[in-house]
Amino acid sequence: DTAVSQTPKYLVTQMGNDKSIKCEQNLGHDTMYWYKQDSKKFLKIMFSYNNKELIINETVPNRFSPKSPDKAHLNLHINSLELGDSAVYFCASSQGGAREKQFFGPGTRLTVL
Amino acid sequence: TQLLEQSPQFLSIQEGENLTVYCNSSSVFSSLQWYRQEPGEGPVLLVTVVTGGEVKKLKRLTFQFGDARKDSSLHITAAQTGDTGLYLCAGGGYGGSQGNLIFGKGTKLSVKP
Repeated sequence: DTAVSQTPKYLVTQMGNDKSIKCEQNLGHDTMYWYKQDSKKFLKIMFSYNNKELIINETVPNRFSPKSPDKAHLNLHINSLELGDSAVYFCASSQGGAREKQFFGPGTRLTVL
Repeated sequence: TQLLEQSPQFLSIQEGENLTVYCNSSSVFSSLQWYRQEPGEGPVLLVTVVTGGEVKKLKRLTFQFGDARKDSSLHITAAQTGDTGLYLCAGGGYGGSQGNLIFGKGTKLSVKP
């Protein structure tokens, strides 16, 4: 059984478009995250969402908006895509805070043309 | 500002050799996690260390957390081709944030037969 799943696996789109990436976890965790991994493999937190409290990383442009319909889902919507948004986006979940094990999804490779 | 520095950035060795990967910071972390990431997949947690001076062993892998909780190392004995991957250290609890991990830029390990 997949613990953390993301769709789509690959996403190719034009500049200026709006797109969404979906994430679901079946682990019953209370915290979910979105990370961005750039071409140099640097993994950086974008958002964490714990029990309906959204913690926004201030370095993330407001074109990025997470949406959590329930505790098991955290989707990422991106408006007006730019070339620099091209990266691999990972969803993750954990039960509790930073000391706890985070389970990562398989990633979504976004390419903006 | 990069809070966690990993070295070396790249490492290519022969099967059977030993190696050490380092993760250093000027900041104190409440915990330090090591992940391994294979191409096309999300990071998978190997170990979490939380106590200064702590040493954990996972088969041929030995993890150490510095006394001051600012640095960590990963030592692999008799490396195998299956150890190939990107090794990421991640610090938890920086600045009192809950649930956010600060990742290093990773060490890409290639073990050749």
